Amino acid sequence: NAGVTQTPKFRVLKTGQSMTLLCAQDMNHEYMYWYRQDPGMGLRLIHYSVGEGTTAKGEVPDGYNVSRLKKQNFLLGLESAAPSQTSVYFCASSYLPVSTEAFFGQGTRLTVV
Amino acid sequence: GQQVMQIPQYQHVQEGEDFTTYCNSSTTLSNIQWYKQRPGGHPVFLIQLVKSGEVKKQKRLTFQFGEAKKNSSLHITATQTTDVGTYFCAGVSQISGKLTFGTGTRLTIIP
Repeated sequence: NAGVTQTPKFRVLKTGQSMTLLCAQDMNHEYMYWYRQDPGMGLRLIHYSVGEGTTAKGEVPDGYNVSRLKKQNFLLGLESAAPSQTSVYFCASSYLPVSTEAFFGQGTRLTVV
Repeated sequence: GQQVMQIPQYQHVQEGEDFTTYCNSSTTLSNIQWYKQRPGGHPVFLIQLVKSGEVKKQKRLTFQFGEAKKNSSLHITATQTTDVGTYFCAGVSQISGKLTFGTGTRLTIIP
């Protein structure tokens, strides 16, 4: 049972390049989330999804897009990367919204130069 | 918007000493969760508190939810090297229903 899997684990981008981060969960969870983690700022919600085919903006959505075409996958896209998007990105999923345990992936360390 | 602050930001303790981190929300919470993140790792769920004044224990860890449901604390008794990591609280606002993570407290243990 893999839980929540993120790919890639590390990536270096040049300013202006695009990329997609993939999150896959095998727990049949309805709810999926993308967070970014920066030193001293905790985890900030970028986008989330309450089910297949749905997405919604979180706290810091600018510069990111997401898609949830299949229930088990949640993709995070950066259309034109900026140095301010250098961060560690975590995907999470939960069976119910907010009031239940969230399961996190291993994280993606992204550096934009 | 809702803000969740944790203090201290960093804590260094001798092995065997106690440790406490405090979580304070700008809004009343319906529940609060605690997570632990080991260095280089990902957050892992520890516990959830729902009731006003609730206290829960997990071996050497004691979690408390304030009477006003705006604050919480995590106390570790007799710390061990395995306790190293960053502890996050995450609160669900009674008003907005949104989950907001605290800024975290990084615990380091001096052997």
